Amino acid sequence: DGGITQSPKYLFRKEGQNVTLSCEQNLNHDAMYWYRQDPGQGLRLIYYSQIVNDFQKGDIAEGYSVSREKKESFPLTVTSAQKNPTAFYLCASSIGFSNQPQHFGDGTRLSIL
Amino acid sequence: RKEVEQDPGPFNVPEGATVAFNCTYSNSASQSFFWYRQDCRKEPKLLMSVYSSGNEDGRFTAQLNRASQYISLLIRDSKLSDSATYLCVVARGNAGNMLTFGGGTRLMVKP
Repeated sequence: DGGITQSPKYLFRKEGQNVTLSCEQNLNHDAMYWYRQDPGQGLRLIYYSQIVNDFQKGDIAEGYSVSREKKESFPLTVTSAQKNPTAFYLCASSIGFSNQPQHFGDGTRLSIL
Repeated sequence: RKEVEQDPGPFNVPEGATVAFNCTYSNSASQSFFWYRQDCRKEPKLLMSVYSSGNEDGRFTAQLNRASQYISLLIRDSKLSDSATYLCVVARGNAGNMLTFGGGTRLMVKP
């Protein structure tokens, strides 16, 4: 089935540790996105990528990094500089980058140990 | 003022009722609008796009009022399975496909 796969579903981070969240899509979508959602709040954009080998900061990029070496993959690294990483992380993709709906993976829940 | 504002609810309605949600947005340059549904602890799923002329999909009707900068979602004949949080989503005008998500309106349909 075509879709967006995020892994792992649950992740625990120790103090001072970097962790990487995986996002893979087989929809042949050009654009991919990372959001975080805190309890009771809306989604906030961390990073986005319109095309392979290109990515841009979103609204809350500090403490995060991404790469887009392949069209189907857009991993997110939560670095130790992100002081409040506990959240629900959602990856999305869209066909293009102009007024298109975005489709989401089923998310990764990150918690601090 | 938030870019996209929604009444968080919850809206508690009996099965079979008609319920309507509104959403206001601040960026007059926004061109695309969507309603997403999010179940508890799950990812958002696209419910429907919102077109200028209004559009309907089964029991769901979406309307756009550009002059007043609000979007509405009407659900007729509510089902228990409609219980979820409904997210109003607005494209950021000239920023292409960057979307702004409202905080969501929670709907609970009771038997």
